[in-house]
Amino acid sequence: ELKVEQNPLFLSMQEGKNYTIYCNYSTTSDRLYWYRQDPGKSLESLFVLLSNGAVKQEGRLMASLDTKARLSTLHITAAVHDLSATYFCAGSQGYSGGGADGLTFGKGTHLIIQP
Amino acid sequence: SAVISQKPSRDICQRGTSLTIQCQVDSQVTMMFWYRQQPGQSLTLIATANQGSEATYESGFVIDKFPISRPNLTFSTLTVSNMSPEDSSIYLCSVTRGDYEQYFGPGTRLTVT
Repeated sequence: ELKVEQNPLFLSMQEGKNYTIYCNYSTTSDRLYWYRQDPGKSLESLFVLLSNGAVKQEGRLMASLDTKARLSTLHITAAVHDLSATYFCAGSQGYSGGGADGLTFGKGTHLIIQP
Repeated sequence: SAVISQKPSRDICQRGTSLTIQCQVDSQVTMMFWYRQQPGQSLTLIATANQGSEATYESGFVIDKFPISRPNLTFSTLTVSNMSPEDSSIYLCSVTRGDYEQYFGPGTRLTVT
């Protein structure tokens, strides 16, 4: 059974600083997802990482995957207030003919960026 | 991406009643999923709904409590039966697009009194 652990669960940081959210998973995962959730909103897809060494970047966010260490990271560069949200990582153990199987989520990292 | 709508967006229900949540997608998809997000918590997969077959439920979720229909490739329903306050949650459907992308609907916020 796949288990996904994130840390930290809560992070308060100042604008302009850099920080990293860590996501460890317990067994082989075909792919690793990062989502953003704003208060009262649904989930916004940020990244999907498919293979060892995969790195993806979008603006101030960069995600990477190390399948040997069973670790994914979400790095925030020069944080701005608009990045305040809850960030979830999730893993998928399977792949059926119609696409990826359901996801197992971490508990989420509640990120607050202070001006 | 995928355009996913859910109805209702929110509801307040009495204990012991049932609510059916609808999920509509803008184009045909093979895999649809239902998740629950309890207040302040992460998401938990309830079941996978494939067209033409019975839904597959995750551990801790049973068909009698959460019956699911999937009549075609763009639509699914989740019913929360015999509700109790512990069922108060956000219920989200998601779909796969391509081999691995998963997109989520806006969610249905359910409060049981």
